[in-house]
Amino acid sequence: EMQLVESGGGLVLPGGSLSLSCVASGFTSNRYWMHWVRQAPGKGPEWVANIKQDGSEKYYVDSVKGRFTISRDNAKNSLYLQMNSLRADDTAVYYCAIVNRGDSTDVWGQGTTVTVSS
Amino acid sequence: DVVMTQSPVSLPVTLGQPASISCISSRSLVNSDGNTYLNWFQQRPGQSPRRLIYKVSKRDSGVPDRFSGSGSGTDFTLKISRVEAEDVGVYYCMQDTHWPWTFGQGTKVEIK
Repeated sequence: EMQLVESGGGLVLPGGSLSLSCVASGFTSNRYWMHWVRQAPGKGPEWVANIKQDGSEKYYVDSVKGRFTISRDNAKNSLYLQMNSLRADDTAVYYCAIVNRGDSTDVWGQGTTVTVSS
Repeated sequence: DVVMTQSPVSLPVTLGQPASISCISSRSLVNSDGNTYLNWFQQRPGQSPRRLIYKVSKRDSGVPDRFSGSGSGTDFTLKISRVEAEDVGVYYCMQDTHWPWTFGQGTKVEIK
C-alpha cells in the first residue's frame, strides 16, 4: 500500500523557521512529482510547492517564494519543505501528496500542523 | 492565478437522491497537450483530501460509479447519482493546467 507520512510540524514564532519531512513507503517515490499542499483552518486547500522526479524543476505559489524551499532525497524516499520567515498566515495543516495529472495515482499523507503565533 | 468558482456553497441532499455541483474557471483549462486537467476532490470530516475525478471525467481507482464528472473549457460539473451517508463532506474542484494549481472554495454536502 502506498503511504506518505509527514512530520516536523509545531508551534513557531513569527519570523521563525521550521522543516517538514515526508517519508514514502510501499512504493518508490522517485517515479513521481511530489507536492506540498496546505489547508488553513476552515479554508480550502492551497497548493504550496512541487518538485519533479529528479529535483530539476520546482514550482512555488507566489506567497511562499523566497521563503520556502522544497527538496527531495530519492535514496531515502523522502520529501522536505524548509520554511523560513514564517508568518501568521502560514498557519495550516501541511500535506505531502502525490497526485498524477494523467493517471489514477492519488496519495496523501495525514498532514502535519504548523502554527505560527507569538 | 486561475480562479475556480463553485456553486452551491452548501448542498443539503436527501439520501438516495441525486446531487450536482458546478465549477467555473476564470480561464480555459485546455492544456497545450490537448488535455483538460480538471479534478474533483472529496474531503470527509477530519480526513485528508481524496481525488475522485481527474481529467474532467475519469474516475480514480476505487471511486464508486455513482460519481461522475463532465464539462469542457471553463464549465464543469460533478454529479452524484444517488447520495449515500458516506458522501457527506466538502467537495472541491481543482485545476492543474495552469501553475499555481488552484482549488475552488468548496461545496459542503450534508444530509437533510
